[in-house]
Amino acid sequence: NAGVTQTPKFQVLKTGQSMTLQCAQDMNHEYMSWYRQDPGMGLRLIHYSVGAGITDQGEVPNGYNVSRSTTEDFPLRLLSAAPSQTSVYFCASSYYRDRDSYGYTFGSGTRLTVV
Amino acid sequence: GQQVMQIPQYQHVQEGEDFTTYCNSSTTLSNIQWYKQRPGGHPVFLIQLVKSGEVKKQKRLTFQFGEAKKNSSLHITATQTTDVGTYFCAGLRWVQAGTALIFGKGTTLSVSS
Repeated sequence: NAGVTQTPKFQVLKTGQSMTLQCAQDMNHEYMSWYRQDPGMGLRLIHYSVGAGITDQGEVPNGYNVSRSTTEDFPLRLLSAAPSQTSVYFCASSYYRDRDSYGYTFGSGTRLTVV
Repeated sequence: GQQVMQIPQYQHVQEGEDFTTYCNSSTTLSNIQWYKQRPGGHPVFLIQLVKSGEVKKQKRLTFQFGEAKKNSSLHITATQTTDVGTYFCAGLRWVQAGTALIFGKGTTLSVSS
């Protein structure tokens, strides 16, 4: 099993550009989420999904868009990149039963720099 | 909204000393999870606590969940250099479409030999 796969690992964007961060999992997990990690800020939730076709906003959703057309994939779109979006982005997945989640499996992260 | 506070932010110990990090929530948690992130790596799930007053052990690591399910702690006995990293607690929060895991800011542990 590959677990959670994120691509790309590194990316440099110019202000105003758009791009999609890819996330795929092969564990048949219902729950997937995106976090950003900034120094001293911990992990902050951007968007999450409890199944195909169901997504919702997290703590810091502005400037990001998501969709969940399949169980396996949960891409994160940056609509118009800003320097404030320079961060490390992590995708995570887990089982989801009776509105309870279990231990998350994280991808290796995407290090994004916006100049 | 629910916040998860973690202290201390940083801790440096000599190898062999004990280490404890504390996690407090503003609201009652349905469960709490602990993760470890090595420098340059990604968070790795350590354990989940669900029951009030629950205590779980993993070798030199002891995890506790408070009676009121609002606080938790991680204690490492006799630290080793392999324990270096950032330890995060995370609480489950009820949100519109289900639940979401909200992380504390973490405690970064450094160990000198």
